[in-house]
Amino acid sequence: AQKITQTQPGMFVQEKEAVTLDCTYDTSDQSYGLFWYKQPSSGEMIFLIYQGSYDEQNATEGRYSLNFQKARKSANLVISASQLGDSAMYFCAIAGGTSYGKLTFGQGTILTVHP
Amino acid sequence: DTGVSQDPRHKITKRGQNVTFRCDPISEHNRLYWYRQTLGQGPEFLTYFQNEAQLEKSRLLSDRFSAERPKGSFSTLEIQRTEQGDSAMYLCASSRRSFGEGSRLTVL
Repeated sequence: AQKITQTQPGMFVQEKEAVTLDCTYDTSDQSYGLFWYKQPSSGEMIFLIYQGSYDEQNATEGRYSLNFQKARKSANLVISASQLGDSAMYFCAIAGGTSYGKLTFGQGTILTVHP
Repeated sequence: DTGVSQDPRHKITKRGQNVTFRCDPISEHNRLYWYRQTLGQGPEFLTYFQNEAQLEKSRLLSDRFSAERPKGSFSTLEIQRTEQGDSAMYLCASSRRSFGEGSRLTVL
């Protein structure tokens, strides 16, 4: 079984500053993947970044990076140079190696970027 | 690549009515997933198809819910005798990176 915990219901950041969204996970699988998604008010789930459990380096995708600390079971998302368009709900999710790729999501963090 | 499309985007129905949602995945993807997302929560897994075979169903999928994927192409999710608790966003994905825009159901 997999579990994702996102402890920040809401976060605020000033435009152009960096922000970290927290995610901790629990799994019994040795091989797993961690994902972050952005969900604007329109409802679409937009894939942002992926980290495999055996990846030695932290994943980066443009302004998004993942601070992966396997021993602490955390996979925090860092958004650099925040933009007004980053305001949205953000979800962390995990897919275990034996789960056919199905995702288990956390409860999400609402990010608001102030001008 | 036209992405994952879902139809209808919004559906308002009265309690007790049946509703059906359709998902058209990315054409070369043979996996298809349905998730349900209630207000303020993360999506929860409902069911998974590999081609036309339904390989896993969540316990959330009561006997009022049925999903099909004939010929391994598009998929339908039908809810019979809807209840107010079925009000949610129903999301379809054809990979972990490819989600549709969702179908929002409101049961009055």
